[in-house]
Amino acid sequence: AAGVIQSPRHLIKEKRETATLKCYPIPRHDTVYWYQQGPGQDPQFLISFYEKMQSDKGSIPDRFSAQQFSDYHSELNMSSLELGDSALYFCASSLDRYSTDTQYFGPGTRLTVL
Amino acid sequence: DAKTTQPPSMDCAEGRAANLPCNHSTISGNEYVYWYRQIHSQGPQYIIHGLKNNETNEMASLIITEDRKSSTLILPHATLRDTAVYYCIVRGGSNYKLTFGKGTLLTVNP
Repeated sequence: AAGVIQSPRHLIKEKRETATLKCYPIPRHDTVYWYQQGPGQDPQFLISFYEKMQSDKGSIPDRFSAQQFSDYHSELNMSSLELGDSALYFCASSLDRYSTDTQYFGPGTRLTVL
Repeated sequence: DAKTTQPPSMDCAEGRAANLPCNHSTISGNEYVYWYRQIHSQGPQYIIHGLKNNETNEMASLIITEDRKSSTLILPHATLRDTAVYYCIVRGGSNYKLTFGKGTLLTVNP
């Protein structure tokens, strides 16, 4: 079965640079969630989109922005990168946005900021 | 969000059943109990979820107490590949996101 695709899988950036992470949801899934997992920490919710509109927001820094496109893929844009942004970034998708709709996670993008 | 409490770690012998407990005493009537696991730095993997009835799928069984204040995830025949951090998450109402707690590190020993 098709899974969530994330690209790139690994990304190395310098401080103050920008990064763009991409997420391609499972076909027919219209809801996308982004999570951040710092070293030794548990995943933390950043932001979500339903039908191309932002539906919920967590502890996402103002330096980060995200959007969902007409084909339902989503991009997380990160500017003025800091060392503390080094983390795993996971995208998850679900068929719909309700609590009965299971979220399926992608393999993640490992971002390293030097 | 309803909070969950899980033991930080558990051990299990290969081939034996692994029973992972979770307390969620503040759960509301419309909130579901979800279980995910994360094998070292991989994306969290969905296991099972339930509202009030016991559930079973090809991976595991979920037993929810009648008062819904606690639940147990059962892996019937644990293998070495089941070594992972297991997260019990309560989700429902207008809360669509997953709020991960500390989880239980299950180590399956040969």
